[in-house]
Amino acid sequence: GENVEQHPSTLSVQEGDSAVIKCTYSDSASNYFPWYKQELGKRPQLIIDIRSNVGEKKDQRIAVTLNKTAKHFSLHITETQPEDSAVYFCAAIGTGRRALTFGSGTRLQVQP
Amino acid sequence: GAGVSQSPSNKVTEKGKDVELRCDPISGHTALYWYRQRLGQGLEFLIYFQGNSAPDKSGLPSDRFSAERTGESVSTLTIQRTQQEDSAVYLCASSLRGQRGATDTQYFGPGTRLTVL
Repeated sequence: GENVEQHPSTLSVQEGDSAVIKCTYSDSASNYFPWYKQELGKRPQLIIDIRSNVGEKKDQRIAVTLNKTAKHFSLHITETQPEDSAVYFCAAIGTGRRALTFGSGTRLQVQP
Repeated sequence: GAGVSQSPSNKVTEKGKDVELRCDPISGHTALYWYRQRLGQGLEFLIYFQGNSAPDKSGLPSDRFSAERTGESVSTLTIQRTQQEDSAVYLCASSLRGQRGATDTQYFGPGTRLTVL
């Protein structure tokens, strides 16, 4: 089945800097890669997603890139703000499954 | 419209007792998922329902865990003879279609925090 690995597990940046979180996946047939943000005690919220037919997607300060050959995808947050502090999860879904396989999460701390 | 809702929000139980957790998906969403999230960890898939198809139970950790869904509405997750290692947040999500390999967005409920003493 699908296996998703996420790095780093924790990331601390200064306000205004960029943050990058990377994930790799094992199922070459995976075709959907969402990113969720989870604030303390809250539910995961979708922040951006990418499908396998595109290589990059951007939404304001957030972007996701996908390299299908290398089977990895990354989340980029520019001009970070304290409210970006949260745990971020990547996920992937392969054709052999119907539910998302999640990475282990990255705790992002933006220092003011 | 209303999002995914779950009840109770918190449940404290004694080891050995049975518990029932409830999920109300977004109206019109045919797919429903249950995940478990242990403290400080990622989301672990438990079970998936799609319309009237047989559920995908491949993520259930033991036969103490079971779930039901009536049509395309409410689902209940039951944990029998609870153990301390069952303590976690149980999250429910729903999506519009949930076909195999689908790219439909999954929307999460607020979760039920289960504590087994």
